[in-house]
Amino acid sequence: DIQMTQSPSSLSASVGDRVSITCRASHPITTYLNWYQQKPGKAPKFLIYAASSLQSGVPSRFSGSGSGTDFTLTISSLQPEDFATYYCQQSYNTPYTFGQGTKLEI
Amino acid sequence: QEQLVQSGAEVKKPGASVKISCKASGYTFTSYYMHWVRQVPGQGPEWMGIISSSAGTTSYAQKFQGRITMARDTSTSTVYMELSSLRSEDTALYYCAREVVVGATSWFDPWGQGTLVTVSS
Repeated sequence: DIQMTQSPSSLSASVGDRVSITCRASHPITTYLNWYQQKPGKAPKFLIYAASSLQSGVPSRFSGSGSGTDFTLTISSLQPEDFATYYCQQSYNTPYTFGQGTKLEI
Repeated sequence: QEQLVQSGAEVKKPGASVKISCKASGYTFTSYYMHWVRQVPGQGPEWMGIISSSAGTTSYAQKFQGRITMARDTSTSTVYMELSSLRSEDTALYYCAREVVVGATSWFDPWGQGTLVTVSS
């Protein structure tokens, strides 16, 4: 199975900050990497596919980059609604696996 | 709009089985694969398996082989996931999620609202 490791596991930031979250795959996955946002009590919400393509409706302050084994989710200017937990997920092969999450806190 | 609506919370005793439903609406049910994912609070999601909504073929994560069964009913656009021989470690939120495939890549969208399964004696 491909293991996905995120860092950091939690991150304190303020509105307006630029933040980056890293996701590392245990095996090269080209760009088969997705990002999700999850708020307490809610299902994950899909944000980015193929490492860098934004889902329709996702604000342009979100961006993704990377290929192979190393990937990054960047939020250019944090808004209050962005404080949540973020997960990466590989769609290279089954079993599809997720990172353990990065909790973005004020 | 495209949505998945799951059945309600369940409380089960160790050794019992649980069956969760996921009803799709707002899109052509048989055009997409459906997945089940579970999440222990505070942990990352865990993929459990996939079902073809058209053919009904399934593939399960090795961890759940022998304990999990997925099925679908095309007449009601509903998929089901049954997990047997429940143990306390199966206490989690269970989600269905539609797989969207574009070219060679895919992602999960939308997700159901989640079904909490509590296993306790």
